[in-house]
Amino acid sequence: EAGVTQSPTHLIKTRGQQATLRCSPISGHTSVYWYQQALGLGLQFLLWYDEGEERNRGNFPPRFSGRQFPNYSSELNVNALELEDSALYLCASSLWGFDTGELFFGEGSRLTVL
Amino acid sequence: GQQLNQSPQSMFIQEGEDVSMNCTSSSIFNTWLWYKQDPGEGPVLLIALYKAGELTSNGRLTAQFGITRKDSFLNISASIPSDVGIYFCAGQNTDKLIFGTGTRLQVFP
Repeated sequence: EAGVTQSPTHLIKTRGQQATLRCSPISGHTSVYWYQQALGLGLQFLLWYDEGEERNRGNFPPRFSGRQFPNYSSELNVNALELEDSALYLCASSLWGFDTGELFFGEGSRLTVL
Repeated sequence: GQQLNQSPQSMFIQEGEDVSMNCTSSSIFNTWLWYKQDPGEGPVLLIALYKAGELTSNGRLTAQFGITRKDSFLNISASIPSDVGIYFCAGQNTDKLIFGTGTRLQVFP
């Protein structure tokens, strides 16, 4: 069974540009989560999607947005990129919600902003 | 953003030694979990605790859910080289899973 897959693996952008990251959850999982992991730091919660709806959002500015498609895959958009947006962006999925706390993570997309 | 306080920040130990790390929060959580992140990978769940006071083992790992529901610890016994990685605690409520700041573990032969 395929795990959570993310693309691209690496992305390099310049300040002010937009970045789009993509995630495919494990088959049968309806919830998708996005976390930001800056270098040397822990995981910061960004967004939670389930059944196409945004269910919860972390303490990030509105230029971080996303969506979930009918096939449950998801996309994270970061507009007006800033240097401090450089981080590993991790996507995770679960059957539904944070019910058991067990999230299945992908390997991440590393975004570098120059 | 909200993060849990995890200590120590890093540990350098010799193979065979025991390891202990802990996590504290100002908030109460329904569930405490411990994840491990290997280099270049996403975190993987090691152990989950669902009741205050619960003590759970998984092989060489032992974890406890604090009575106050605001803390947890993880012990690793007889460490081996593949224990190297970053360990994260996580507190779960209905609509969020908050991660700790991480403990980076290095094991030397």
